[in-house]
Amino acid sequence: GQQVMQIPQYQHVQEGEDFTTYCNSSTTLSNIQWYKQRPGGHPVFLIQLVKSGEVKKQKRLTFQFGEAKKNSSLHITATQTTDVGTYFCAGPWGSNDYKLSFGAGTTVTVRA
Amino acid sequence: KAGVTQTPRYLIKTRGQQVTLSCSPISGHRSVSWYQQTPGQGLQFLFEYFSETQRNKGNFPGRFSGRQFSNSRSEMNVSTLELGDSALYLCASSLAVNSREGHEQYFGPGTRLTVT
Repeated sequence: GQQVMQIPQYQHVQEGEDFTTYCNSSTTLSNIQWYKQRPGGHPVFLIQLVKSGEVKKQKRLTFQFGEAKKNSSLHITATQTTDVGTYFCAGPWGSNDYKLSFGAGTTVTVRA
Repeated sequence: KAGVTQTPRYLIKTRGQQVTLSCSPISGHRSVSWYQQTPGQGLQFLFEYFSETQRNKGNFPGRFSGRQFSNSRSEMNVSTLELGDSALYLCASSLAVNSREGHEQYFGPGTRLTVT
């Protein structure tokens, strides 16, 4: 099953508003990654967080890694129609290093 | 630099048949992972190869198999297809020696498999 839980599953946002999607792990993660998948497309890497409490910004997107390295968040300000898509978090899990577990994703729709 | 390519892009098969999907990673990437994406189960890890060795496998039945060649190109095979195998199969390549290094994965466009 999923090792990384993501909420909410759906986010309907008015253009110009802010929203946040959350990612929670049952275990401490060495790193966490975020991807965006546009409708009909494939996942595209956005960012990677490694350090406890790390915060990274990409224009209107702010990514945060929790102090315990068990949770992460993506906050988007002033949502635009270009933000439409599904946002996934992903982290390594299990005793083997080579598996990446993806959250179920947050699908974002924007009302103009 | 060319991205990850996958062939074919679309495929229609009938139950009981087998299928082989191909993935060419970004030049220089030796790690190739395969994922199955369905509306109900999301992105599920199938397996990962590095330098022709399968390093890990997800929770899929033995009907799902794969391999990697010396040029890092990878194939996955699904035998005795079932209706539930209908999905988007994504291949991703990475520079990572292991996922704990956290290297980003570059995804291909995927192969849309429909089983009837």
